[in-house]
Amino acid sequence: AQTVTQSQPEMSVQEAETVTLSCTYDTSESDYYLFWYKQPPSRQMILVIRQEAYKQQNATENRFSVNFQKAAKSFSLKISDSQLGDAAMYFCAYRSWTQGGSEKLVFGKGTKLTVNP
Amino acid sequence: NAGVMQNPRHLVRRRGQEARLRCSPMKGHSHVYWYRQLPEEGLKFMVYLQKENIIDESGMPKERFSAEFPKEGPSILRIQQVVRGDSAAYFCASSGRAWQETQYFGPGTRLLVL
Repeated sequence: AQTVTQSQPEMSVQEAETVTLSCTYDTSESDYYLFWYKQPPSRQMILVIRQEAYKQQNATENRFSVNFQKAAKSFSLKISDSQLGDAAMYFCAYRSWTQGGSEKLVFGKGTKLTVNP
Repeated sequence: NAGVMQNPRHLVRRRGQEARLRCSPMKGHSHVYWYRQLPEEGLKFMVYLQKENIIDESGMPKERFSAEFPKEGPSILRIQQVVRGDSAAYFCASSGRAWQETQYFGPGTRLLVL
Protein backbone atom coordinates (compact mmCIF):
# COMPACT_ATOMS: atom_id res chain seq x y z
CA ALA A 1 0.00 0.00 0.00
CA GLN A 2 1.14 3.49 -0.75
CA THR A 3 2.14 5.80 2.09
CA VAL A 4 2.89 9.52 2.20
CA THR A 5 5.11 11.10 4.87
CA GLN A 6 5.41 14.76 5.73
CA SER A 7 8.18 15.01 8.30
CA GLN A 8 7.66 18.67 9.23
CA PRO A 9 4.56 19.16 11.41
CA GLU A 10 5.13 22.93 11.45
CA MET A 11 7.16 25.45 9.46
CA SER A 12 7.43 29.21 9.57
CA VAL A 13 8.67 31.78 7.06
CA GLN A 14 9.05 35.53 6.91
CA GLU A 15 6.86 37.37 4.47
CA ALA A 16 8.55 37.67 1.04
CA GLU A 17 10.99 34.85 1.83
CA THR A 18 11.11 31.35 0.37
CA VAL A 19 10.14 28.16 2.16
CA THR A 20 10.30 24.48 1.19
CA LEU A 21 7.93 21.83 2.51
CA SER A 22 9.05 18.20 2.38
CA CYS A 23 7.15 15.11 1.30
CA THR A 24 8.28 11.55 0.71
CA TYR A 25 6.19 8.62 -0.43
CA ASP A 26 6.43 4.90 -0.83
CA THR A 27 5.05 3.03 -3.83
CA SER A 28 5.89 0.12 -6.10
CA GLU A 29 4.09 1.72 -9.05
CA SER A 30 5.96 3.44 -11.84
CA ASP A 31 3.23 5.82 -12.94
CA TYR A 32 1.22 7.98 -10.58
CA TYR A 33 0.17 11.51 -9.70
CA LEU A 34 1.37 13.67 -6.85
CA PHE A 35 -0.45 16.70 -5.48
CA TRP A 36 -0.09 19.48 -2.98
CA TYR A 37 -3.31 20.75 -1.42
CA LYS A 38 -3.67 23.79 0.81
CA GLN A 39 -6.15 23.95 3.68
CA PRO A 40 -6.54 27.48 5.11
CA PRO A 41 -8.43 28.17 8.36
CA SER A 42 -11.69 27.96 6.42
CA ARG A 43 -10.86 24.20 6.07
CA GLN A 44 -11.55 24.26 2.32
CA MET A 45 -9.16 21.96 0.42
CA ILE A 46 -7.55 23.90 -2.43
CA LEU A 47 -5.39 22.31 -5.11
CA VAL A 48 -1.99 24.03 -5.27
CA ILE A 49 -0.06 21.98 -7.80
CA ARG A 50 -0.04 18.61 -9.56
CA GLN A 51 2.78 16.47 -10.95
CA GLU A 52 2.59 13.45 -13.24
CA ALA A 53 5.33 10.96 -12.41
CA TYR A 54 6.22 10.32 -16.06
CA LYS A 55 7.11 13.98 -16.56
CA GLN A 56 10.71 14.84 -15.76
CA GLN A 57 10.01 18.57 -15.73
CA ASN A 58 9.01 19.92 -12.34
CA ALA A 59 5.56 21.51 -12.20
CA THR A 60 5.24 25.22 -11.46
CA GLU A 61 2.25 27.45 -10.71
CA ASN A 62 3.19 31.09 -10.25
CA ARG A 63 5.02 31.29 -6.89
CA PHE A 64 4.66 27.56 -6.24
CA SER A 65 7.02 24.96 -7.64
CA VAL A 66 7.96 21.40 -6.85
CA ASN A 67 11.19 19.47 -6.72
CA PHE A 68 10.22 15.97 -7.88
CA GLN A 69 12.90 13.33 -7.36
CA LYS A 70 11.37 10.08 -8.59
CA ALA A 71 14.25 7.78 -7.65
CA ALA A 72 14.32 9.19 -4.13
CA LYS A 73 10.50 9.24 -3.96
CA SER A 74 10.60 12.83 -2.85
CA PHE A 75 8.17 15.62 -3.76
CA SER A 76 8.89 18.93 -2.04
CA LEU A 77 6.94 22.16 -2.46
CA LYS A 78 8.74 25.51 -2.73
CA ILE A 79 6.82 28.70 -2.05
CA SER A 80 8.60 31.82 -3.24
CA ASP A 81 7.89 35.39 -2.12
CA SER A 82 5.69 34.09 0.70
CA GLN A 83 2.52 36.05 1.41
CA LEU A 84 0.36 36.23 4.53
CA GLY A 85 -2.39 34.44 2.61
CA ASP A 86 -0.12 31.41 2.18
CA ALA A 87 -0.55 30.57 5.87
CA ALA A 88 -2.35 27.23 5.97
CA MET A 89 -2.01 23.49 6.39
CA TYR A 90 -0.35 21.92 3.37
CA PHE A 91 -1.03 18.32 2.46
CA CYS A 92 0.94 16.16 0.08
CA ALA A 93 -1.11 13.46 -1.69
CA TYR A 94 -0.52 10.47 -3.97
CA ARG A 95 -2.80 8.82 -6.50
CA SER A 96 -2.38 5.86 -8.81
CA TRP A 97 -2.18 6.52 -12.55
CA THR A 98 -3.28 3.19 -13.89
CA GLN A 99 -6.85 2.88 -15.12
CA GLY A 100 -8.52 0.29 -12.97
CA GLY A 101 -6.15 1.01 -10.14
CA SER A 102 -7.14 2.69 -6.92
CA GLU A 103 -8.60 6.11 -7.55
CA LYS A 104 -8.26 7.27 -3.99
CA LEU A 105 -5.94 9.99 -2.81
CA VAL A 106 -3.51 9.01 -0.06
CA PHE A 107 -2.63 12.00 2.10
CA GLY A 108 0.22 12.85 4.41
CA LYS A 109 -0.51 14.26 7.86
CA GLY A 110 0.19 17.80 6.79
CA THR A 111 2.55 20.69 7.53
CA LYS A 112 1.25 23.81 9.22
CA LEU A 113 2.83 26.87 7.60
CA THR A 114 2.96 30.17 9.47
CA VAL A 115 3.90 33.35 7.62
CA ASN A 116 5.34 36.09 9.80
CA PRO A 117 4.91 39.73 8.75
CA ASN B 1 -19.40 26.81 -12.99
CA ALA B 2 -20.38 26.02 -9.43
CA GLY B 3 -17.93 24.03 -7.39
CA VAL B 4 -18.58 20.96 -5.27
CA MET B 5 -21.42 21.66 -2.87
CA GLN B 6 -21.83 20.04 0.52
CA ASN B 7 -24.58 20.44 3.06
CA PRO B 8 -25.01 20.95 5.82
CA ARG B 9 -21.76 22.71 6.62
CA HIS B 10 -22.17 21.96 10.31
CA LEU B 11 -24.15 19.14 11.86
CA VAL B 12 -24.67 18.37 15.54
CA ARG B 13 -26.05 15.00 16.59
CA ARG B 14 -26.49 13.20 19.88
CA ARG B 15 -25.11 9.72 20.33
CA GLY B 16 -27.37 7.15 18.70
CA GLN B 17 -28.88 9.50 16.13
CA GLU B 18 -28.41 9.32 12.38
CA ALA B 19 -26.33 11.75 10.33
CA ARG B 20 -26.91 12.38 6.61
CA LEU B 21 -24.30 14.31 4.68
CA ARG B 22 -24.98 15.47 1.13
CA CYS B 23 -22.64 16.19 -1.75
CA SER B 24 -23.43 17.64 -5.17
CA PRO B 25 -20.48 17.24 -7.54
CA MET B 26 -19.28 19.88 -9.95
CA LYS B 27 -21.34 20.19 -13.11
CA GLY B 28 -20.32 17.51 -15.57
CA HIS B 29 -18.59 15.36 -12.93
CA SER B 30 -19.85 11.84 -12.37
CA HIS B 31 -17.22 10.52 -9.94
CA VAL B 32 -17.56 11.23 -6.22
CA TYR B 33 -15.17 10.50 -3.37
CA TRP B 34 -15.72 10.83 0.37
CA TYR B 35 -12.88 11.49 2.82
CA ARG B 36 -12.83 11.91 6.59
CA GLN B 37 -10.50 14.24 8.50
CA LEU B 38 -10.10 13.63 12.21
CA PRO B 39 -8.75 16.51 14.32
CA GLU B 40 -5.04 17.19 13.67
CA GLU B 41 -4.94 14.50 10.96
CA GLY B 42 -4.79 14.32 7.19
CA LEU B 43 -7.71 13.20 5.09
CA LYS B 44 -8.50 9.48 4.91
CA PHE B 45 -10.30 7.94 1.96
CA MET B 46 -13.66 6.36 2.69
CA VAL B 47 -15.51 5.52 -0.53
CA TYR B 48 -15.54 6.16 -4.27
CA LEU B 49 -18.79 6.16 -6.22
CA GLN B 50 -20.04 6.64 -9.72
CA LYS B 51 -23.69 7.10 -10.57
CA GLU B 52 -25.63 4.23 -8.98
CA ASN B 53 -22.43 2.26 -8.29
CA ILE B 54 -20.01 1.91 -5.40
CA ILE B 55 -16.58 1.41 -6.98
CA ASP B 56 -14.29 1.27 -3.95
CA GLU B 57 -15.45 1.22 -0.32
CA SER B 58 -12.22 -0.04 1.16
CA GLY B 59 -12.01 2.89 3.59
CA MET B 60 -15.54 2.65 4.94
CA PRO B 61 -16.08 1.28 8.45
CA LYS B 62 -17.88 -2.04 8.16
CA GLU B 63 -20.79 -1.04 10.35
CA ARG B 64 -23.07 1.99 10.59
CA PHE B 65 -21.66 3.77 7.51
CA SER B 66 -23.16 3.68 4.04
CA ALA B 67 -22.96 5.77 0.89
CA GLU B 68 -24.96 6.17 -2.27
CA PHE B 69 -24.91 8.23 -5.46
CA PRO B 70 -28.31 7.86 -7.13
CA LYS B 71 -29.07 8.52 -10.76
CA GLU B 72 -30.75 11.76 -9.76
CA GLY B 73 -29.74 13.93 -6.84
CA PRO B 74 -26.72 14.30 -4.62
CA SER B 75 -24.45 11.68 -3.15
CA ILE B 76 -25.34 10.81 0.45
CA LEU B 77 -23.04 9.61 3.21
CA ARG B 78 -25.13 8.11 5.99
CA ILE B 79 -23.92 7.36 9.50
CA GLN B 80 -26.30 5.43 11.70
CA GLN B 81 -26.21 5.40 15.51
CA VAL B 82 -23.44 7.97 15.69
CA VAL B 83 -20.80 7.78 18.41
CA ARG B 84 -18.43 10.49 19.69
CA GLY B 85 -15.59 9.03 17.61
CA ASP B 86 -17.51 9.92 14.45
CA SER B 87 -16.93 13.62 15.16
CA ALA B 88 -14.82 14.82 12.24
CA ALA B 89 -14.85 16.84 9.05
CA TYR B 90 -16.24 14.91 6.09
CA PHE B 91 -15.11 16.06 2.67
CA CYS B 92 -16.54 15.20 -0.69
CA ALA B 93 -14.53 15.49 -3.90
CA SER B 94 -15.54 15.04 -7.52
CA SER B 95 -13.80 14.46 -10.83
CA GLY B 96 -14.84 14.19 -14.45
CA ARG B 97 -13.00 11.02 -15.40
CA ALA B 98 -11.55 9.08 -12.53
CA TRP B 99 -8.07 8.06 -13.40
CA GLN B 100 -6.95 11.07 -15.39
CA GLU B 101 -8.58 13.85 -13.51
CA THR B 102 -7.83 15.99 -10.51
CA GLN B 103 -10.26 15.68 -7.63
CA TYR B 104 -11.86 18.96 -6.56
CA PHE B 105 -13.06 19.26 -3.00
CA GLY B 106 -16.17 20.67 -1.41
CA PRO B 107 -16.06 22.83 1.75
CA GLY B 108 -16.71 19.86 4.03
CA THR B 109 -19.30 19.03 6.67
CA ARG B 110 -18.23 19.32 10.29
CA LEU B 111 -20.00 16.67 12.33
CA LEU B 112 -20.08 17.01 16.09
CA VAL B 113 -21.49 14.18 18.17
CA LEU B 114 -22.51 15.13 21.69
